[in-house]
Amino acid sequence: EAEVAQSPRYKITEKSQAVAFWCDPISGHATLYWYRQILGQGPELLVQFQDESVVDDSQLPKDRFSAERLKGVDSTLKIQPAELGDSAMYLCASSSYPGLAGPQETQYFGPGTRLLVL
Amino acid sequence: KQEVTQIPAALSVPEGENLVLNCSFTDSAIYNLQWFRQDPGKGLTSLLLIQSSQREQTSGRLNASLDKSSGRSTLYIAASQPGDSATYLCAVLSSWGKLQFGAGTQVVVTP
Repeated sequence: EAEVAQSPRYKITEKSQAVAFWCDPISGHATLYWYRQILGQGPELLVQFQDESVVDDSQLPKDRFSAERLKGVDSTLKIQPAELGDSAMYLCASSSYPGLAGPQETQYFGPGTRLLVL
Repeated sequence: KQEVTQIPAALSVPEGENLVLNCSFTDSAIYNLQWFRQDPGKGLTSLLLIQSSQREQTSGRLNASLDKSSGRSTLYIAASQPGDSATYLCAVLSSWGKLQFGAGTQVVVTP
Protein backbone atom coordinates (compact mmCIF):
# COMPACT_ATOMS: atom_id res chain seq x y z
CA GLU A 1 0.00 0.00 0.00
CA ALA A 2 1.34 3.44 -0.96
CA GLU A 3 2.46 5.63 1.93
CA VAL A 4 3.61 9.16 2.59
CA ALA A 5 7.35 9.17 3.35
CA GLN A 6 9.06 11.66 5.66
CA SER A 7 12.65 12.14 6.75
CA PRO A 8 14.30 12.45 9.11
CA ARG A 9 12.12 10.81 11.72
CA TYR A 10 13.86 12.63 14.56
CA LYS A 11 15.91 15.81 14.64
CA ILE A 12 17.69 17.47 17.54
CA THR A 13 19.12 20.90 16.91
CA GLU A 14 20.31 23.91 18.81
CA LYS A 15 18.54 27.21 18.91
CA SER A 16 19.39 29.47 15.94
CA GLN A 17 20.41 26.57 13.70
CA ALA A 18 18.70 25.74 10.40
CA VAL A 19 16.68 22.55 9.96
CA ALA A 20 14.95 20.99 6.98
CA PHE A 21 12.33 18.27 6.65
CA TRP A 22 11.48 16.27 3.55
CA CYS A 23 8.20 14.72 2.44
CA ASP A 24 7.36 12.43 -0.47
CA PRO A 25 3.57 12.15 -0.95
CA ILE A 26 1.62 9.22 -2.34
CA SER A 27 2.22 8.97 -6.07
CA GLY A 28 -0.35 10.93 -8.05
CA HIS A 29 -1.55 13.05 -5.14
CA ALA A 30 -1.74 16.66 -6.26
CA THR A 31 -2.24 18.18 -2.83
CA LEU A 32 0.40 18.21 -0.11
CA TYR A 33 0.04 19.54 3.41
CA TRP A 34 2.49 20.37 6.19
CA TYR A 35 1.11 20.35 9.74
CA ARG A 36 2.68 21.19 13.08
CA GLN A 37 1.53 19.30 16.16
CA ILE A 38 2.58 20.61 19.55
CA LEU A 39 2.51 18.04 22.35
CA GLY A 40 -1.01 17.62 23.70
CA GLN A 41 -2.67 19.44 20.80
CA GLY A 42 -4.14 18.51 17.45
CA PRO A 43 -2.27 19.13 14.18
CA GLU A 44 -2.46 22.65 12.77
CA LEU A 45 -1.99 23.38 9.08
CA LEU A 46 1.14 25.32 8.19
CA VAL A 47 1.03 25.21 4.40
CA GLN A 48 -0.99 23.58 1.61
CA PHE A 49 0.31 22.99 -1.91
CA GLN A 50 -1.74 22.31 -5.02
CA ASP A 51 0.79 20.79 -7.43
CA GLU A 52 3.73 23.21 -7.12
CA SER A 53 1.70 26.23 -5.99
CA VAL A 54 1.02 27.37 -2.44
CA VAL A 55 -2.73 27.71 -1.89
CA ASP A 56 -2.70 28.39 1.85
CA ASP A 57 0.21 29.52 4.01
CA SER A 58 -1.75 31.80 6.30
CA GLN A 59 -0.47 30.02 9.45
CA LEU A 60 3.15 29.71 8.33
CA PRO A 61 5.54 31.97 10.32
CA LYS A 62 7.13 33.38 7.22
CA ASP A 63 9.93 35.19 9.01
CA ARG A 64 11.59 31.86 9.78
CA PHE A 65 9.69 29.10 7.94
CA SER A 66 9.74 28.35 4.24
CA ALA A 67 8.30 25.55 2.15
CA GLU A 68 8.72 24.51 -1.43
CA ARG A 69 7.44 21.87 -3.82
CA LEU A 70 9.40 22.74 -6.92
CA LYS A 71 8.30 19.97 -9.30
CA GLY A 72 4.93 19.36 -7.71
CA VAL A 73 6.01 16.06 -6.19
CA ASP A 74 8.14 16.01 -3.04
CA SER A 75 8.42 18.93 -0.67
CA THR A 76 10.83 20.50 1.80
CA LEU A 77 9.96 22.51 4.91
CA LYS A 78 12.75 24.65 6.35
CA ILE A 79 13.14 26.55 9.61
CA GLN A 80 15.86 29.15 9.94
CA PRO A 81 16.67 30.04 12.65
CA ALA A 82 15.06 27.43 14.89
CA GLU A 83 13.62 28.60 18.21
CA LEU A 84 12.80 26.67 21.38
CA GLY A 85 9.07 27.02 20.65
CA ASP A 86 9.48 25.15 17.35
CA SER A 87 9.87 21.85 19.20
CA ALA A 88 6.98 19.78 17.88
CA MET A 89 5.97 16.97 15.53
CA TYR A 90 5.90 18.02 11.86
CA LEU A 91 3.45 15.96 9.85
CA CYS A 92 3.12 15.75 6.10
CA ALA A 93 -0.09 14.61 4.42
CA SER A 94 -1.27 14.21 0.85
CA SER A 95 -4.56 13.86 -0.99
CA SER A 96 -6.08 14.07 -4.43
CA TYR A 97 -7.48 17.39 -5.65
CA PRO A 98 -9.76 18.89 -2.96
CA GLY A 99 -13.37 18.06 -3.69
CA LEU A 100 -12.57 15.34 -6.23
CA ALA A 101 -13.50 12.54 -3.84
CA GLY A 102 -16.55 14.40 -2.60
CA PRO A 103 -17.65 13.66 0.97
CA GLN A 104 -15.20 10.75 1.10
CA GLU A 105 -12.27 13.15 0.87
CA THR A 106 -9.46 12.28 3.26
CA GLN A 107 -5.78 13.00 3.76
CA TYR A 108 -3.06 10.39 4.17
CA PHE A 109 -0.46 11.14 6.81
CA GLY A 110 3.21 10.28 7.00
CA PRO A 111 5.00 9.12 10.19
CA GLY A 112 6.11 12.65 11.06
CA THR A 113 9.40 14.28 12.03
CA ARG A 114 9.85 14.97 15.72
CA LEU A 115 11.92 18.12 16.25
CA LEU A 116 13.60 19.03 19.51
CA VAL A 117 15.25 22.44 19.74
CA LEU A 118 17.74 22.83 22.61
CA LYS B 1 -14.46 29.72 12.31
CA GLN B 2 -14.82 26.00 13.00
CA GLU B 3 -13.86 24.91 16.52
CA VAL B 4 -13.44 21.22 17.38
CA THR B 5 -13.45 20.09 21.01
CA GLN B 6 -12.79 16.66 22.47
CA ILE B 7 -13.84 15.58 25.92
CA PRO B 8 -12.37 14.11 28.03
CA ALA B 9 -8.74 15.01 27.40
CA ALA B 10 -7.63 11.76 29.01
CA LEU B 11 -9.32 8.51 29.96
CA SER B 12 -8.15 5.39 31.78
CA VAL B 13 -10.23 2.20 31.82
CA PRO B 14 -9.63 -1.44 32.77
CA GLU B 15 -9.40 -3.96 29.98
CA GLY B 16 -12.77 -5.18 28.76
CA GLU B 17 -14.68 -1.98 29.44
CA ASN B 18 -16.30 -0.07 26.60
CA LEU B 19 -14.76 3.27 25.64
CA VAL B 20 -16.82 6.36 24.79
CA LEU B 21 -15.02 9.33 23.25
CA ASN B 22 -16.76 12.58 22.46
CA CYS B 23 -16.17 15.22 19.81
CA SER B 24 -18.10 18.46 19.26
CA PHE B 25 -17.86 21.06 16.51
CA THR B 26 -19.33 24.53 16.21
CA ASP B 27 -20.25 24.75 12.51
CA SER B 28 -22.59 22.04 11.26
CA ALA B 29 -21.78 22.76 7.58
CA ILE B 30 -19.32 19.89 7.19
CA TYR B 31 -18.55 17.40 4.42
CA ASN B 32 -17.34 14.65 6.71
CA LEU B 33 -15.90 13.82 10.12
CA GLN B 34 -13.01 11.46 10.72
CA TRP B 35 -11.58 9.69 13.70
CA PHE B 36 -7.82 9.10 13.76
CA ARG B 37 -5.57 7.13 16.07
CA GLN B 38 -2.11 8.34 17.01
CA ASP B 39 0.42 6.20 18.87
CA PRO B 40 3.11 8.04 20.88
CA GLY B 41 5.58 9.77 18.57
CA LYS B 42 3.90 8.44 15.44
CA GLY B 43 1.75 9.73 12.60
CA LEU B 44 -2.04 9.52 12.23
CA THR B 45 -3.97 6.43 11.23
CA SER B 46 -7.50 6.91 9.92
CA LEU B 47 -10.03 4.76 11.76
CA LEU B 48 -13.45 5.82 10.49
CA LEU B 49 -14.84 8.45 8.12
CA ILE B 50 -18.48 9.49 8.38
CA GLN B 51 -19.91 11.43 5.47
CA SER B 52 -22.22 14.33 6.32
CA SER B 53 -25.23 12.39 5.01
CA GLN B 54 -24.49 9.38 7.24
CA ARG B 55 -25.42 8.79 10.87
CA GLU B 56 -22.79 6.20 11.76
CA GLN B 57 -19.95 4.01 10.58
CA THR B 58 -18.71 0.72 11.98
CA SER B 59 -15.44 -1.16 11.69
CA GLY B 60 -14.93 -4.19 13.87
CA ARG B 61 -15.10 -3.10 17.53
CA LEU B 62 -15.32 0.57 16.52
CA ASN B 63 -18.52 2.48 15.95
CA ALA B 64 -18.77 6.20 15.31
CA SER B 65 -21.97 8.23 15.26
CA LEU B 66 -22.59 11.66 13.82
CA ASP B 67 -25.29 14.15 14.76
CA LYS B 68 -24.60 17.05 12.44
CA SER B 69 -27.45 19.21 13.67
CA SER B 70 -26.16 19.22 17.24
CA GLY B 71 -22.49 19.28 16.20
CA ARG B 72 -21.52 16.05 17.90
CA SER B 73 -19.81 12.76 17.18
CA THR B 74 -19.10 9.83 19.47
CA LEU B 75 -16.59 7.05 19.00
CA TYR B 76 -17.40 3.78 20.78
CA ILE B 77 -14.75 1.11 21.21
CA ALA B 78 -16.21 -2.14 22.49
CA ALA B 79 -14.40 -4.50 24.86
CA SER B 80 -11.25 -2.40 25.14
CA GLN B 81 -7.81 -4.01 25.00
CA PRO B 82 -4.38 -2.74 26.12
CA GLY B 83 -3.51 -2.37 22.43
CA ASP B 84 -6.21 0.30 22.18
CA SER B 85 -4.08 2.62 24.29
CA ALA B 86 -3.35 5.66 22.12
CA THR B 87 -4.55 9.20 21.45
CA TYR B 88 -7.74 9.47 19.45
CA LEU B 89 -8.29 12.60 17.35
CA CYS B 90 -11.40 13.73 15.56
CA ALA B 91 -11.26 16.04 12.57
CA VAL B 92 -13.93 17.76 10.51
CA LEU B 93 -13.75 18.66 6.83
CA SER B 94 -15.72 21.87 6.56
CA SER B 95 -14.31 23.02 3.23
CA TRP B 96 -12.45 21.09 0.54
CA GLY B 97 -8.90 20.41 1.62
CA LYS B 98 -9.34 21.87 5.10
CA LEU B 99 -9.22 19.46 8.03
CA GLN B 100 -9.80 20.95 11.47
CA PHE B 101 -8.62 18.79 14.37
CA GLY B 102 -9.55 18.51 18.00
CA ALA B 103 -6.84 18.23 20.65
CA GLY B 104 -7.44 14.52 21.13
CA THR B 105 -8.36 12.14 23.93
CA GLN B 106 -5.48 10.15 25.43
CA VAL B 107 -6.67 6.64 26.28
CA VAL B 108 -4.99 4.15 28.58
CA VAL B 109 -6.39 0.63 28.88
CA THR B 110 -4.96 -1.19 31.88
CA PRO B 111 -4.62 -5.01 31.88
